[in-house]
Amino acid sequence: GAVVSQHPSWVICKSGTSVKIECRSLDFQATTMFWYRQFPKQSLMLMATSNEGSKATYEQGVEKDKFLINHASLTLSTLTVTSAHPEDSSFYICSARPNLGGGHQPQHFGDGTRLSIL
Amino acid sequence: AQSVTQLGSHVSVSEGALVLLRCNYSSSVPPYLFWYVQYPNQGLQLLLKYTTGATLVKGINGFEAEFKKSETSFHLTKPSAHMSDAAEYFCAVSESGNNRLAFGKGNQVVVIP
Repeated sequence: GAVVSQHPSWVICKSGTSVKIECRSLDFQATTMFWYRQFPKQSLMLMATSNEGSKATYEQGVEKDKFLINHASLTLSTLTVTSAHPEDSSFYICSARPNLGGGHQPQHFGDGTRLSIL
Repeated sequence: AQSVTQLGSHVSVSEGALVLLRCNYSSSVPPYLFWYVQYPNQGLQLLLKYTTGATLVKGINGFEAEFKKSETSFHLTKPSAHMSDAAEYFCAVSESGNNRLAFGKGNQVVVIP
């Protein structure tokens, strides 16, 4: 149980293109999902908290107009990197926190998306 | 705000030897603590978690961790390393009522045959 599917796993595109990444909780509902960015050999950096039916909460220094987040249902959040440039190349990982279960439920992570901007 | 310290970015251990990864945290309220493992080009898999109750927590793949409030630590151990344990390990903390996770910098574990 508690599977999170992230798609696509790899994407290569030209500079200036917008790229959408999907994060789905397959067997549970998640009001709250999270988007992280990970640079090579480094830890995960929280970019934003995605809230179903409301605006995402962005961390300091993350451009909300650059990284658009939509959480339209209890099982799907999307991250769109708009007008991507080479410096946006990175490994993006999403996670979802189950609504049910009580206590403090751990986040369950997708397998990540490797984004390369040429 | 919560934070996590993991020292030693690379940890080498012989196959069959003890695995010990240290994690110290900072939190203004009682913390929730987690250890995650990451294999190359993959997301994170939960190894174990501490929320309340018993301070010695057992996880998957033979790992366990002990919450020591007096030392603000949550070190991860495994009695006998396997080759399949080679991966990146992250300690994380969140504060009760706060869904946000703060991660340590991670430990890259290398298992020597």
